[in-house]
Amino acid sequence: QSVLTQPPSVSGAPGQRVTISCTGSSSNVGAGYDVHWYQQLPGIAPKLLIYANINRPSGVPDRFSGSKSGTSASLAITGLQAGDEADYYCQSYDSSLNGYVFGTGTKVTVL
Amino acid sequence: QLVESGGGLVKPGGSLRLSCVLSERFGDYMSWIRQAPGKGLEWVAKISGSGTYINYADSVEGRFIISRDNAAKSLFLHMHSLRVEDTAVYYCAIQRGGLREVWFDPWGRGTLVSVSS
Repeated sequence: QSVLTQPPSVSGAPGQRVTISCTGSSSNVGAGYDVHWYQQLPGIAPKLLIYANINRPSGVPDRFSGSKSGTSASLAITGLQAGDEADYYCQSYDSSLNGYVFGTGTKVTVL
Repeated sequence: QLVESGGGLVKPGGSLRLSCVLSERFGDYMSWIRQAPGKGLEWVAKISGSGTYINYADSVEGRFIISRDNAAKSLFLHMHSLRVEDTAVYYCAIQRGGLREVWFDPWGRGTLVSVSS
């Protein structure tokens, strides 16, 4: 069961900017634990996109950016491209569950 | 870098052992994460580099056992009393960061476990 809530889908035209929210609670994001983001292309294993709220691993374009405030975090994609069509998941730690939790996932569609 | 194996079709109540072989350094915490067909990601279990510290998700506690063989650079997931709801692609992944501020990178390609009568 996912304890981090994301919108099921977002869409945008090529070149546009889209944002994906990730809403948690006082036992995870709101407790100050970092949020991380993953991109899962169709039929492929998830790939790390953003770690510790705002950091991009080597090789991830700067079109992807993360932010966090209070009990929520966001992933922004600027200059949307056809290759960005994928599912995106946020992830954090939950102190009540004493484990790692993922968001419900968001499907990004490029119109 | 990480290659899982051992998935397959098993009847409810049965057992299965998954393996994950790493091609490089193997001293880090590692986790198993699963994804049911068409569903989201669920963390399953983690194990420290020495194998001393282990933690499970409530959904598998008492049924799954995570272990590792550092000499063989291998991670295992022993699954018992399998249920239909355990059907998923199982990924192994390396943990980065600290004990709580943890992210997963990289991930293996996954192995499919199907539990059905």
